[in-house]
Amino acid sequence: AQSVTQLGSHVSVSEGALVLLRCNYSSSVPPYLFWYVQYPNQGLQLLLKYTSAATLVKGINGFEAEFKKSETSFHLTKPSAHMSDAAEYFCAVTTNRDDKIIFGKGTRLHILP
Amino acid sequence: SQTIHQWPATLVQPVGSPLSLECTVEGTSNPNLYWYRQAAGRGLQLLFYSVGIGQISSEVPQNLSASRPQDRQFILSSKKLLLSDSGFYLCAWGGQRNTEAFFGQGTRLTVV
Repeated sequence: AQSVTQLGSHVSVSEGALVLLRCNYSSSVPPYLFWYVQYPNQGLQLLLKYTSAATLVKGINGFEAEFKKSETSFHLTKPSAHMSDAAEYFCAVTTNRDDKIIFGKGTRLHILP
Repeated sequence: SQTIHQWPATLVQPVGSPLSLECTVEGTSNPNLYWYRQAAGRGLQLLFYSVGIGQISSEVPQNLSASRPQDRQFILSSKKLLLSDSGFYLCAWGGQRNTEAFFGQGTRLTVV
């Protein structure tokens, strides 16, 4: 069965600094990977997705992620953090053999002024 | 365009009472439907998913059940709520395999 592990339940960065949120996946077949963002008391919004095309994926709000098969990773980055980026971020995985979408435990991003 | 409706937004229920949360999707047909629960520190836990009317897959044995009486309707139920059922419940829909899920706004359930 597929799974994702998000390293760090809380990450703090200064405004203007690089954002790096880590996600490692486990899957016996090629994965399809997603990053979502959640603001308080709201549903999840898709930031970006990897669907076996380009390994570097660009998403909304200036975020991007790189699929690295050798490292089984799909880390989320943003060059310069804004206060509005403070939220919880979830990595998720599915495959073409499964109807389930499995989420990680999430990483809460704090932006320091 | 596709939309997903989930209600109510908040709910406070006493222990032992029944539960019914409803989710409907518009603008698409034969979607995959999902119920997730979000509890502090546990991320999004997949509870149930459905690939068609009457087809329910349960991921976690628990006090809850799900039903899909119509193509775009997904219902989460309980006969008797427990304190541990408190949490933020999210409904989502997706296309065929390999596609992302689109989420409703969630229901905050507090069992007292």
